[in-house]
Amino acid sequence: SQTIHQWPATLVQPVGSPLSLECTVEGTSNPNLYWYRQAAGRGLQLLFYSVGIGQISSEVPQNLSASRPQDRQFILSSKKLLLSDSGFYLCAWRRGVGTGELFFGEGSRLTVL
Amino acid sequence: ILNVEQSPQSLHVQEGDSTNFTCSFPSSNFYALHWYRWETAKSPEALFVMTLNGDEKKKGRISATLNTKEGYSYLYIKGSQPEDSATYLCAFWNAGNMLTFGGGTRLMVKP
Repeated sequence: SQTIHQWPATLVQPVGSPLSLECTVEGTSNPNLYWYRQAAGRGLQLLFYSVGIGQISSEVPQNLSASRPQDRQFILSSKKLLLSDSGFYLCAWRRGVGTGELFFGEGSRLTVL
Repeated sequence: ILNVEQSPQSLHVQEGDSTNFTCSFPSSNFYALHWYRWETAKSPEALFVMTLNGDEKKKGRISATLNTKEGYSYLYIKGSQPEDSATYLCAFWNAGNMLTFGGGTRLMVKP
């Protein structure tokens, strides 16, 4: 069976510090991978998606970046966090073909102070 | 940026009431419409994946309909229970690999 894990679950970071959130998927190959963010009181905003190693599409201009160094690993990064980066970040995967649903990780709550 | 709207934003109902919410999405370049349930302290989980105009899907007391020509989907819950309390998200998928979510409807069922 397939599983998805993301970490850390919670982090508190000062403004201007770097960020790295990691997500790994097990039990499948060549998944489509996604990073979403839920800002306070809002829905899920797509940040990045990837259809393969090294292939990243960005949907929202911001100071975040994403990388996919391995088939089942997706990393969300920032060199310098802003207050507005606070929120709940979700990694998700789906099979590479068809219209199937997303499977979400446990989420990471980021507070930037 | 695709416009996916959900209404109402929040809803309080009594246990046993039936309820429904709406998701509206662009009617062009339709590929699929997903419904997810997001319970507090958990991750969103898929309820339905809908792809055909006129589709109607059911899972227990929850059902959904789809109209791709006019760009809307309804989610119905019959006989709401406290465990149905959650945020219900719809997500629109056009050609490509982007899944755009609506803002969600937060349902609270009072015992």
